[in-house]
Amino acid sequence: DQQVKQNSPSLSVQEGRISILNCDYTNSMFDYFLWYKKYPAEGPTFLISISSIKDKNEDGRFTVFLNKSAKHLSLHIVPSQPGDSAVYFCAASEGTSYGKLTFGQGTILTVHP
Amino acid sequence: EPEVTQTPSHQVTQMGQEVILRCVPISNHLYFYWYRQILGQKVEFLVSFYNNEISEKSEIFDDQFSVERPDGSNFTLKIRSTKLEDSAMYFCASYGTSGSKAYEQYFGPGTRLTVT
Repeated sequence: DQQVKQNSPSLSVQEGRISILNCDYTNSMFDYFLWYKKYPAEGPTFLISISSIKDKNEDGRFTVFLNKSAKHLSLHIVPSQPGDSAVYFCAASEGTSYGKLTFGQGTILTVHP
Repeated sequence: EPEVTQTPSHQVTQMGQEVILRCVPISNHLYFYWYRQILGQKVEFLVSFYNNEISEKSEIFDDQFSVERPDGSNFTLKIRSTKLEDSAMYFCASYGTSGSKAYEQYFGPGTRLTVT
């Protein structure tokens, strides 16, 4: 089941620079997309989301972009901070479901001071 | 800030034994979920629960699994006869007040289940 894919297992960025995490999906029925952050020994923490009727959503340092024609979304973190170092999961949901989330494999982000 | 809690944090059991994983969702939430993550793999959906019944379940959620919300506060996942391949981190999640969409789920810290 590869409906949601994060092709980069890891990303390393310098503090203060931009982090860009990417996610691709194949299921055209997905209409809501989310990013979660996960630290070791903790559960995923909701970060930001976007509905399929939008192409951009911004919350502080975090912006999510959605390109429906390409079935691609990305998370931009500007400026990156060492505390952002974590695993980032992309997830998607279909409007017809009771909120079932389909997750990508995750990308390990390391922000160096 | 309200949070989802899970107990125990780590459960070790022998193959064939029954286990019950417990969760206390956020109190005014209406939708409840179990997910699992096998080491090195994706987080996978197991089951969703709404209005005191299962609303959706995955292929993984076979007859060995059951869920219950016995007292309006706890939400449990039972595995009747554990297998080695059930070893994973199990996450409980909840969301939703009346009229909202069940997307932005809040996750608990997880229970690590080890089947020997």
